Amino acid sequence: DAGVTQSPTHLIKTRGQQVTLRCSPKSGHDTVSWYQQALGQGPQFIFQYYEEEERQRGNFPDRFSGHQFPNYSSELNVNALLLGDSALYLCASSLGAGQYQETQYFGPGTRLLVL
Amino acid sequence: GDSVTQMEGPVTLSEEAFLTINCTYTATGYPSLFWYVQYPGEGLQLLLKATKADDKGSNKGFEATYRKETTSFHLEKGSVQVSDSAVYFCALTTGNQFYFGTGTSLTVIP
Repeated sequence: DAGVTQSPTHLIKTRGQQVTLRCSPKSGHDTVSWYQQALGQGPQFIFQYYEEEERQRGNFPDRFSGHQFPNYSSELNVNALLLGDSALYLCASSLGAGQYQETQYFGPGTRLLVL
Repeated sequence: GDSVTQMEGPVTLSEEAFLTINCTYTATGYPSLFWYVQYPGEGLQLLLKATKADDKGSNKGFEATYRKETTSFHLEKGSVQVSDSAVYFCALTTGNQFYFGTGTSLTVIP
């Protein structure tokens, strides 16, 4: 049973560029959440996708957008990259869009460095 | 809003010492509480959870009890091992999103 997978593992971009990160949820899960984890900090919630729609959003600008596909996989897009976007981006999957306070299972993350 | 406050680190212990990492929370409604562990270079792994008051979560010798009266969920282990060296995150959810503490780094020395 595959867990949550993310790609790529590492990425280097320059300021102003755009980036797309990908996530495949754990088998049987239908909900994907994205988090940003700055160095030495706890993960900060970006948004959650369920039934191909954004269900809830944290305090992140519109430069951060996402998408969920019919197979429940998801993408995170960040436009006009800033140096401060350098972080570990974590994807978490769960079942039922938070209705039952289900445990979220995390992938290994994508480490993004913006130069 | 909802939030988690956890004990700042880093924490350094000798092998077989007793571990406590404090965690308190603020939440509207009735949160579920979690401890996640992050090993170097890896993502977060669920360590244990509790979904209602007085529940005790336990795993791999770690325990935490959901205390509604003190809004706490302290992590404990009776005898730590070198392999327990990692960063520990307390977290809560009342629905769609998780709120994490800033993490406590634990180093266990032989």
